Amino acid sequence: QKEVEQNSGPLSVPEGAIASLNCTYSDRGSQSFFWYRQYSGKSPELIMFIYSNGDKEDGRFTAQLNKASQYVSLLIRDSQPSDSATYLCAVENSGYSTLTFGKGTMLLVSP
Amino acid sequence: GAVVSQHPSRVICKSGTSVKIECRSLDFQATTMFWYRQFPKQSLMLMATSNEGSKATYEQGVEKDKFLINHASLTLSTLTVTSAHPEDSSFYICSARTVYSNQPQHFGDGTRLSIL
Repeated sequence: QKEVEQNSGPLSVPEGAIASLNCTYSDRGSQSFFWYRQYSGKSPELIMFIYSNGDKEDGRFTAQLNKASQYVSLLIRDSQPSDSATYLCAVENSGYSTLTFGKGTMLLVSP
Repeated sequence: GAVVSQHPSRVICKSGTSVKIECRSLDFQATTMFWYRQFPKQSLMLMATSNEGSKATYEQGVEKDKFLINHASLTLSTLTVTSAHPEDSSFYICSARTVYSNQPQHFGDGTRLSIL
């Protein structure tokens, strides 16, 4: 059973701070990793994807991947109240096009 | 780009009714579409993978005769919940991706199904 683990939170940060969201996965053969944001009652929205070890930056978001440690993270700089949502880590299952999702981390950014 | 449209957004119907949900990729060809179900405060659970022109692949525990999936074209997949019962009430979400490997899945807006 392939697993993706996330701390459910909530993770509370003040506006303007850096939010750090973490994810570990069990499928050592996985090559593609995704972060989605889901507001309450809405469907997931793609934030970032990463395939190679290291960092990938896109605006205020940075995804970090360490395949040896089977660890993915998402950093959100200058957090805004509008960033308050549940962040889902998704890992592509090796040999398939399907994704396994973590349960998500709820982020709360206070003004 | 990569817009996925899902319709209807909400359905309320009586027990025993069959409900059809459509998922369309508007600006790309989706060789593969996915159907998920999400219960309150839980993560997305994959129900089935749908490839254009072939039978869907269902995940373990998902009844293929209850959840009928059709992917007749590169831009349209449908999920029909047959003889729905209250326990089928959930948030159903489709996603689509292109033929290119490693490309992310893009999600529709979801359908909230309530069976009375």
